[in-house]
Amino acid sequence: DARVTQTPRHKVTEMGQEVTMRCQPILGHNTVFWYRQTMMQGLELLAYFRNRAPLDDSGMPKDRFSAEMPDATLATLKIQPSEPRDSAVYFCASGLDGAYEQYFGPGTRLTVT
Amino acid sequence: GDSVTQMEGPVTLSEEAFLTINCTYTATGYPSLFWYVQYPGEGLQLLLKATKADDKGSNKGFEATYRKETTSFHLEKGSVQVSDSAVYFCALVNFGNEKLTFGTGTRLTIIP
Repeated sequence: DARVTQTPRHKVTEMGQEVTMRCQPILGHNTVFWYRQTMMQGLELLAYFRNRAPLDDSGMPKDRFSAEMPDATLATLKIQPSEPRDSAVYFCASGLDGAYEQYFGPGTRLTVT
Repeated sequence: GDSVTQMEGPVTLSEEAFLTINCTYTATGYPSLFWYVQYPGEGLQLLLKATKADDKGSNKGFEATYRKETTSFHLEKGSVQVSDSAVYFCALVNFGNEKLTFGTGTRLTIIP
């Protein structure tokens, strides 16, 4: 049963610290998406990749967030420095180019104190 | 731009009741439509989809029909169970664009 995996599942950190979240897309999928979910804003698309190339990161605060795909099996989302307003659940999703369905991971719950 | 409007929640129903969650959309072109479900503490899961007008998506007793004339994709289930308690998201993606546009989600609670 192929699934998207995300690590860590939970992260508590202090303001100013660097946070790195990792995602392993489903093998063979070539699109990867990063979302943030909060009660106030709902689901927000932060960035997405096709064939490891970043296509759109307009939803991401550029000064502190960065997203990369070092290889086809790993996507990372980094926040440096973190702030309390970054507290949210971060989801990664993957899919196949042209198929449109996205398969979500279980999320990383980030708390910044 | 594209947008999805969902029925405001929360919705509370008794077990075995009939469920409808309304979803309407605004989009150029011919979008594909989706319902995703999010159970507590989990990521979103694709529940069903429809890719063209009059298509009916169905899964786990849920159904939704792509109505182009009313730009709607309402989710229905004839008899809900406690295990259906979750947040339901309507979404669309336009042809040639991989980004999903989500509605705000509808929280459904089923009481025994």
